[in-house]
Order: sequence, then structure tokens, then C-alpha cells
Amino acid sequence: QKEVEQDPGPLSVPEGAIVSLNCTYSNSAFQYFMWYRQYSRKGPELLMYTYSSGNKEDGRFTAQVDKSSKYISLFIRDSQPSDSATYLCAMRPNDYKLSFGAGTTVTVRA
Amino acid sequence: DAGVIQSPRHEVTEMGQEVTLRCKPISGHDYLFWYRQTMMRGLELLIYFNNNVPIDDSGMPEDRFSAKMPNASFSTLKIQPSEPRDSAVYFCASSFFASSYEQYFGPGTRLTVT
Repeated sequence: QKEVEQDPGPLSVPEGAIVSLNCTYSNSAFQYFMWYRQYSRKGPELLMYTYSSGNKEDGRFTAQVDKSSKYISLFIRDSQPSDSATYLCAMRPNDYKLSFGAGTTVTVRA
Repeated sequence: DAGVIQSPRHEVTEMGQEVTLRCKPISGHDYLFWYRQTMMRGLELLIYFNNNVPIDDSGMPEDRFSAKMPNASFSTLKIQPSEPRDSAVYFCASSFFASSYEQYFGPGTRLTVT
């Protein structure tokens, strides 16, 4: 079993829809939770970061962490074609070793 | 800032050849990470350095892989001899201690071993 599980999709939604992404994990030591966005043929870029449990909102993006369920989510409101990318969840304990999910490929149709 | 710079962007080589991938981290960053990304295994951490010193190389797949960081502005990942199963995209990332949750990734090197 992988330490971080993420459904690879693909996920296709119409423009303006809400995109819902999630990951589950098994390592109780994970304290820092991140979402990265990766466009085709590019390196990942940090989108959202959350420490421990809770919610965080940044514009159209909302990240949620439920440590009791070992479950994290990312919501994208009013999705745009420019949001089409692969979204990777990532997490780590107190050291610097990030563990990534497989990534979910999202396509927003105009 | 130019961001993390990697070279070459694409590399095609024959099995058995030596491959050297290069990375220039963002100036002032004190952590450097090497990752490998494949469809089957996703994004995997191979090794990371702090202040040019290797801290954890437990992700390096086997002895054919080696990494060095001779100074704060340069790192190499070497594969010798290369094998077809090494074909992947290799990313370098760097971060700064004070904002350690954010790793800045380079554009990657797409390696194909035939």
C-alpha cells in the first residue's frame, strides 16, 4: 500500500464547475500538507499549503485537512480552462522529505 | 530570479552510457532535492542536500545513481551505467529553510535510455 493514495482520474468538468480533489494517507507523522499544480511538460508549482488540520482558502482554491481521518481535499470554485493541469497532493513530517500522491489530471472544458 | 535551472532539458542515450544531469538552485536556497517522475511510480524523492551536504539518499534506487553538490550553486545527478528503466523525468527543486514547506521545482530533464 502506498503511503499517499490519490485517484489519478482523469477528471473532466465544464467551465464554472467546482472541482473536488482528495488524497488519503497512512503515515500519522505527516504534519505539513500541500497541493502542487503541474502543467504539461513543466515542473510542479506550489498551490496551497496547510499545517496540521483545518481549512485554508486562497481565492478560488480551498484546502482542507482532516488528520483524524487521514484525508485531505482541494476544491476549485468557478473552474477555468486555465486550471487544466495535474494536481498532486504532497505531505511530510517534520523533516523535509515530501511524499507525493500520483496526481489527478483535470480538464476544464470551455 | 531565474528560478531553478536544469540541463539538459532532454537527453537520449543508449543503454550502458553515463548520464549526467545538472541543476542550479535558486540563489540563497540551502536545500536541494532530486526527484524522479514516471507514470508508474509518480514523483519520488531520490536524495536531498542541506548546505551542500547529502542528508538523505535512501531514495536513490541503486549504486548506479550518484549525486554531488560541490558548491551552493551547482549539483549533479549521475547514472552510470544507464538502463532503459531509468527513463523518466528528473526534477531538481530547492528551498529556503525559513520557508521550508515550499520547494521550487525546475523544468525537469526528460531522459530516454534506449
